[in-house]
Amino acid sequence: QKEVEQNSGPLSVPEGAIASLNCTYSDRGSQSFFWYRQYSGKSPELIMFIYSNGDKEDGRFTAQLNKASQYVSLLIRDSQPSDSATYLCAVNLWGNNRLAFGKGNQVVVIP
Amino acid sequence: DADVTQTPRNRITKTGKRIMLECSQTKGHDRMYWYRQDPGLGLRLIYYSFDVKDINKGEISDGYSVSRQAQAKFSLSLESAIPNQTALYFCATSSSGLSYEQYFGPGTRLTVT
Repeated sequence: QKEVEQNSGPLSVPEGAIASLNCTYSDRGSQSFFWYRQYSGKSPELIMFIYSNGDKEDGRFTAQLNKASQYVSLLIRDSQPSDSATYLCAVNLWGNNRLAFGKGNQVVVIP
Repeated sequence: DADVTQTPRNRITKTGKRIMLECSQTKGHDRMYWYRQDPGLGLRLIYYSFDVKDINKGEISDGYSVSRQAQAKFSLSLESAIPNQTALYFCATSSSGLSYEQYFGPGTRLTVT
């Protein structure tokens, strides 16, 4: 089983709609979870982190964590064309002090 | 000024050449990382360092070496470049606390012909 999986293909959403991204992880000891946004040819940019079960909101972004089911989600409300990017899920590996990254999900916001 | 800088930003080199990619940071972080990114393969960890005297191999260290010259500087070397090392290379830093979030440099696009 891969450490971090993001299985959804490219996601196209109309401007103003909600984009929903999911990520599952295999290490039950993981404590820290991150979402990065990456524009084509640019470096990953940290947009959200979450440590506790439940929801965490920051502006138009909401991260949701469910440790029992080992998944973390990212919701983007009122999607804008500038949200068109690849979103990377990252999870710390317990005892390893490093992050494992998913392969990313591409989001395309259609004006 | 950017907190994490990488030089060069773009490099084209020939097979068999030695090349060094450099990373500097002003964030005061102890931990530094080198990743490569290939289409469809995501980010893969090459080497990481938790302080000047601590260097660790990542998942794809073969063909690469690193040097941690100071807390703020971490260099990646390709001893004898080969075409399948053509990729986007990122340096990242994190603090030594329990938060683990990493901050990335702008990247170096390396092409080996």
